[in-house]
Amino acid sequence: SAVISQKPSRDICQRGTSLTIQCQVDSQVTMMFWYRQQPGQSLTLIATANQGSEATYESGFVIDKFPISRPNLTFSTLTVSNMSPEDSSIYLCSVVLGLAGEQFFGPGTRLTVL
Amino acid sequence: SQQGEEDPQALSIQEGENATMNCSYKTSINNLQWYRQNSGRGLVHLILIRSNEREKHSGRLRVTLDTSKKSSSLLITASRAADTASYFCATDAGTGGFKTIFGAGTRLFVKA
Repeated sequence: SAVISQKPSRDICQRGTSLTIQCQVDSQVTMMFWYRQQPGQSLTLIATANQGSEATYESGFVIDKFPISRPNLTFSTLTVSNMSPEDSSIYLCSVVLGLAGEQFFGPGTRLTVL
Repeated sequence: SQQGEEDPQALSIQEGENATMNCSYKTSINNLQWYRQNSGRGLVHLILIRSNEREKHSGRLRVTLDTSKKSSSLLITASRAADTASYFCATDAGTGGFKTIFGAGTRLFVKA
């Protein structure tokens, strides 16, 4: 398995501001993933972050709203830009390890936008 | 639409009873994973079962996979109050990539 940490664990933000979430993994991984979990809902993939290339965004998510950085094989950031109350969610980073493709998740960042 | 769909959506049982949750999916897969989530925290990886496996055990957990029916089940035996959580199944897209698609989850409540 992997030890994945996220910062911050939670935040309360004002409408129109931006928040950058950090994800740190204790081992080098090729792909990292960012998910959103809206209240009472399941997880939705936002984007796949590969080191050395642009992130790949899923339908409904755009780089201007959710810019992602992946400066090395153990770290990534997700920024939630120009926030609105609809962005209130848990944001989780994730990695895939091993040949079987086991996927592990960080503890999540609980974001509330007022 | 979501690849995985769990049922029931919610399940309430007494401590000591067994809990069974089911998951159905739509396309071919390479593997299926089950996760637990407590009170909106991060997901805990429970078990991965490959498409060529039919059953897998881990402690009190038993997972089955029926690829002909595109379904999986998670059985928790001798449940405990600490098992109270949401349980999700997740499948890969079956295309050789690592995109994982989650079902809506089953909320399990174990009464002491």
